Amino acid sequence: AQRVTQPEKLLSVFKGAPVELKCNYSYSGSPELFWYVQYSRQRLQLLLRHISRESIKGFTADLNKGETSFHLKKPFAQEEDSAMYYCALSYGNDYKLSFGAGTTVTVRA
Amino acid sequence: ETGVTQSPTHLIKTRGQQVTLRCSSQSGHNTVSWYQQALGQGPQFIFQYYREEENGRGNFPPRFSGLQFPNYSSELNVNALELDDSALYLCASSRDSSNTGELFFGEGSRLTVL
Repeated sequence: AQRVTQPEKLLSVFKGAPVELKCNYSYSGSPELFWYVQYSRQRLQLLLRHISRESIKGFTADLNKGETSFHLKKPFAQEEDSAMYYCALSYGNDYKLSFGAGTTVTVRA
Repeated sequence: ETGVTQSPTHLIKTRGQQVTLRCSSQSGHNTVSWYQQALGQGPQFIFQYYREEENGRGNFPPRFSGLQFPNYSSELNVNALELDDSALYLCASSRDSSNTGELFFGEGSRLTVL
């Protein structure tokens, strides 16, 4: 069974400090991995996806197949990064996403 | 372009009743997925519809059923409601059923079962 684990429920950092959100997965095939974000009073939206290998809002995520991880990183956190972050895995030939339980990030001034 | 819209936003039902939740997909999208999000948890996949056909199902009992219409809007029906069905139900649409695209979520329908 596919499983996504986000070990941290809550993460609090100071503005300007680095932030790293951990995500580990278990899947026997070749996964597609995503980070989704939900800002206060907004809907869930895509932040970035592994296949695009892009940096969005200063965030990057590297897929490490050896460690089965897809950690999300940003070198200098901003107050507007405060949100709920979900790591998600897609499997098979269609669009079924398995989500982790989420990490709430609070960036303090 | 119009985003994903869901109705109703909130509803309260009693155990044993039936509920229908509705979703209008984003313009140009032919695939709709439904997710259940219990409090403090991530969304859990219920099923997906692609061009009016069910295209995959998660670990949910048959009393969870759905439909997709020719305009790609969708319904989620839950029969014989149980207390544990209390959750936020999210609808998401996408351009197609591939697993590399982006899901566009609605704001959800919050169901409370008493």
